[in-house]
Amino acid sequence: EVQLLESGGGLVQPGGSLRLSCAASGFTFSNHAMSWVRQAPGKGLEWVSSISSSGGTTYYADSVKGRFTISRDNSKNTLFLQMNSLRAEDTAIYFCAKDLAEGAVSSTCFDYWGQGTLVTVSS
Amino acid sequence: QLVLTQSPSASASLGASVKLTCTLSSGHSSYAIAWHQQQPEKGPRYLMKVNSDGNHTKGDGIPDRFSGSNSGAERYLTISSLQSEDEADYYCQTWGTGIQVFGGGTRLTVL
Repeated sequence: EVQLLESGGGLVQPGGSLRLSCAASGFTFSNHAMSWVRQAPGKGLEWVSSISSSGGTTYYADSVKGRFTISRDNSKNTLFLQMNSLRAEDTAIYFCAKDLAEGAVSSTCFDYWGQGTLVTVSS
Repeated sequence: QLVLTQSPSASASLGASVKLTCTLSSGHSSYAIAWHQQQPEKGPRYLMKVNSDGNHTKGDGIPDRFSGSNSGAERYLTISSLQSEDEADYYCQTWGTGIQVFGGGTRLTVL
């Protein structure tokens, strides 16, 4: 059974940093691109960032480019999102998502999601 | 620019059928999309991928009541024999090299 378990969310002041983790199990983690998607309170889904199966290629939404860094540790089946220079508008539930396809350099269709971790940016 | 458009809301009666629409922006009618369901206070759940030829690939455990189809730039999700647990937000998703796009979502109310 595929499981994705996010952690690391919490309350942080504007300008602060936070590191999210997503522990994966039930599939060959190193074969799949992974992504982060967020959902602000009462809003829809917004793609944040994706990383290839090897970790060698990363992509970011313009809204987080230069502030967030996606990475992965295939030996520990874990995905990360380092978030710096946080703003109030980054307040959201952050979900990690697994790619349906194997070996894709660029993320495609998501076939599994985690339950999310809440990040609140407020003074 | 790659954009997905969804109606904000839809409603149908218990036991009836409903067809939700996701429209691809001009010039992108050949793109595949995915449908995801998000029940209240839960993470999204993958329902299916719908290709431009109408073929669809369902997620694990998705009932036969859920089906996908297409016409031109429109991608459809049809839910038959509506149940109370189908009341949820439904999002379509598409992708290109280095980019992911979500529609604004359709909130389905089961009457």
